[in-house]
Amino acid sequence: SQKIEQNSEALNIQEGKTATLTCNYTNYSPAYLQWYRQDPGRGPVFLLLIRENEKEKRKERLKVTFDTTLKQSLFHITASQPADSATYLCALDRGAGSYQLTFGKGTKLSVIP
Amino acid sequence: KAGVTQTPRYLIKTRGQQVTLSCSPISGHRSVSWYQQTPGQGLQFLFEYFSETQRNKGNFPGRFSGRQFSNSRSEMNVSTLELGDSALYLCASSPNPGQGADTQYFGPGTRLTVL
Repeated sequence: SQKIEQNSEALNIQEGKTATLTCNYTNYSPAYLQWYRQDPGRGPVFLLLIRENEKEKRKERLKVTFDTTLKQSLFHITASQPADSATYLCALDRGAGSYQLTFGKGTKLSVIP
Repeated sequence: KAGVTQTPRYLIKTRGQQVTLSCSPISGHRSVSWYQQTPGQGLQFLFEYFSETQRNKGNFPGRFSGRQFSNSRSEMNVSTLELGDSALYLCASSPNPGQGADTQYFGPGTRLTVL
């Protein structure tokens, strides 16, 4: 069966360091992979999207990689700040005609001052 | 542009009752999806609507149903509530219906508690 795993339920990191979050999947062939941020009591907010034929995508302090051979995406936050503390979700999309996203359970990131 | 709105924000019901949740998408977005979020299962897809048609449905029992109106607003209904239905119900709209790379814009959710 299809499985999406975000390796850590929780990750604590010192302010200023780079946070790296992992998303692995099995029995799935996503055309796109997305990362969302969710704060307590709020809906997820879209951060980045990467296509299956892209290796890396960047946006400000954020970087995402996508390795379809390893079936893995890495999400990096450089120079992390306490305001980056939130739960980060990866989501897979099969592409045209799928009409749904499949989410991982998320990694709760805490950036310690 | 106003974001996705959901009403009510909080709801308390008892087992056996039914509930209707409402979602207004971002203006111009015609695709609306619903998700259930619980601590144990995470975000799980319920269904997606576009132009008043359900195009995809997740693995939930028939007690969960939805509909979409001509103005793209959507409602979901849960009948015969069970304790396990307690969750955050999230609605999301998308400007790119089913073409792939469907970035979802989420509402704040409705917190449903079943007693």
